[in-house]
Amino acid sequence: DAMVIQNPRYQVTQFGKPVTLSCSQTLNHNVMYWYQQKSSQAPKLLFHYYDKDFNNEADTPDNFQSRRPNTSFCFLDIRSPGLGDAAMYLCATSRDFSLFDRAIGYTFGSGTRLTVV
Amino acid sequence: AQKITQTQPGMFVQEKEAVTLDCTYDTSDQSYGLFWYKQPSSGEMIFLIYQGSYDEQNATEGRYSLNFQKARKSANLVISASQLGDSAMYFCAIRSGSARQLTFGSGTQLTVLP
Repeated sequence: DAMVIQNPRYQVTQFGKPVTLSCSQTLNHNVMYWYQQKSSQAPKLLFHYYDKDFNNEADTPDNFQSRRPNTSFCFLDIRSPGLGDAAMYLCATSRDFSLFDRAIGYTFGSGTRLTVV
Repeated sequence: AQKITQTQPGMFVQEKEAVTLDCTYDTSDQSYGLFWYKQPSSGEMIFLIYQGSYDEQNATEGRYSLNFQKARKSANLVISASQLGDSAMYFCAIRSGSARQLTFGSGTQLTVLP
């Protein structure tokens, strides 16, 4: 089945130690998103790629970066994780669709739950 | 800018009864889409139902229906015949205008009681 895969499912990292989360998709969607979701809160968009074009949200800290080497893969790099970065990180994909195209939407991965110790 | 407001942090419903989860939205765009997602404790986001701003009829998907009131800017989710497996966090989200991304509300934690 076509899907969005996030690895690892759970990640424990040390305070200040760089960590990379990965996302892969078999849907051939041209848009990929990274959301941060802290406990009991709404997912918050960090950035997204439209093909190779990187779109950063204005309030995303510089500590967060992303790479998209090809259509299928997208990575989230946290350069120096702090305790406040502990969260669920959700990757999502979409085709750049019309709002009137109800058959196509957003597909989410299962998320990576990051713990900072 | 687009914004979603979900005013019910938690809701309880008896098994087999119907429940309505509230969602109001704010956008200055004429074209937009409204989405509802279910997030179990395992974390994945499961798409439930979609309503486009130009859709004249309320969307329905199985036990899920959307009570869309455009003038009031509300898009409430109705779950009929609740099941224990419906216990989860429910998010309303909007995509409007030229934005590609979804903006989520703060969610409603639904608990179905046996």
